[in-house]
Amino acid sequence: DAKTTQPPSMDCAEGRAANLPCNHSTISGNEYVYWYRQIHSQGPQYIIHGLKNNETNEMASLIITEDRKSSTLILPHATLRDTAVYYCIVRVMNQGGKLIFGQGTELSVKP
Amino acid sequence: EAQVTQNPRYLITVTGKKLTVTCSQNMNHEYMSWYRQDPGLGLRQIYYSMNVEATDKGDVPEGYKVSRKEKRNFPLILESPSPNQTSLYFCASSSYGAENTEAFFGQGTRLTVV
Repeated sequence: DAKTTQPPSMDCAEGRAANLPCNHSTISGNEYVYWYRQIHSQGPQYIIHGLKNNETNEMASLIITEDRKSSTLILPHATLRDTAVYYCIVRVMNQGGKLIFGQGTELSVKP
Repeated sequence: EAQVTQNPRYLITVTGKKLTVTCSQNMNHEYMSWYRQDPGLGLRQIYYSMNVEATDKGDVPEGYKVSRKEKRNFPLILESPSPNQTSLYFCASSSYGAENTEAFFGQGTRLTVV
């Protein structure tokens, strides 16, 4: 199964953009990149996903490199409520669309 | 409101006493999964189901059972719980074509086995 690598922690100033990197060099051509976040021990919350093209929604933007070996999640204007653990995930085709979670990045948004 | 509901949220039990954690979704999703989350190990898939009466093992199925008699429900059964099953459990559901659709997670069940 494809694995993801993320920095364990990052800080960001409130109101600034948070750029969270992720490496997924073993990703297969038909596997999607997903981002979820988890606040304390609540259920993971979906943020965004993509296959090849960059994606944007009301929460964030996802930039995927052309070779698909890495991606960046961008929170354009981070708030204190964005403090959470962010998971970059490869979603496989089998096992009911299994989500392969890595260790995540603990993002701290500071005033 | 679209949601996945797990019960109970917290449970403390003794070794060997059978228990069931329920999971229900109101989105008519075909795919449902159970994950456990442990410090340093992240979330790992226990069992999954691709539709009614279709269940299969995930990555860490030992000591667990599941059933899928109705589309909306996917209970997790621990026939004889042991302390190494102390963990935070999440149920998730998504629609057919799962690799390109959002998976919804429940609020979690924190289980302690003493």
